[in-house]
Amino acid sequence: AQSVTQLDSQVPVFEEAPVELRCNYSSSVSVYLFWYVQYPNQGLQLLLKYLSGSTLVKGINGFEAEFNKSQTSFHLRKPSVHISDTAEYFCAVSKGETSGSRLTFGEGTQLTVNP
Amino acid sequence: EAGVTQFPSHSVIEKGQTVTLRCDPISGHDNLYWYRRVMGKEIKFLLHFVKESKQDESGMPNNRFLAERTGGTYSTLKVQPAELEDSGVYFCASSQDPRWGLAGGSEQFFGPGTRLTVL
Repeated sequence: AQSVTQLDSQVPVFEEAPVELRCNYSSSVSVYLFWYVQYPNQGLQLLLKYLSGSTLVKGINGFEAEFNKSQTSFHLRKPSVHISDTAEYFCAVSKGETSGSRLTFGEGTQLTVNP
Repeated sequence: EAGVTQFPSHSVIEKGQTVTLRCDPISGHDNLYWYRRVMGKEIKFLLHFVKESKQDESGMPNNRFLAERTGGTYSTLKVQPAELEDSGVYFCASSQDPRWGLAGGSEQFFGPGTRLTVL
């Protein structure tokens, strides 16, 4: 079984500051890793994913994440945030190669960007 | 291309009543998933269809929940009778068969969710 821990439930930052949202996972098998974002009154949107290859993954809206196998982490970063990045962010894992493996989510991190 | 759609967006019902949620996946996506988020908790998997067949229903909380996907297109999730603890946001997601291209095949596309409130 897999589990995902998002270490911060709330992250307030000022506009143009850098941000890191932390995610650790636990799994006995290889996993795929994802970050999703949910803007107010919208569904979940995929920010980025790690399937294989380079451990630094770039996503949409200037976000990136680094897969660290030894630390079982997949932290999300952005060097300079905007007001529009205010949203809830979810880290998730799946077992991957089996057809349509289900996602296991963390509890979410609310990012609030203040002017 | 239309995304995953869900209906209704909100539903308020009384304890003991029945509610049916609907999900229309992206056309051509064989995989369809239901997830639920109870307030303040993580999003949890409920079940997974491959076409019209239930691949994995290990996340269904109890037999008051019934999911169907007739014809392998849209899906419904019925809660009967509803209890207070069923309140939450129900998400539907769909994906292609990963064998058709790993990079896209593993991505699940989510609908906006149905917010269910049981009073």
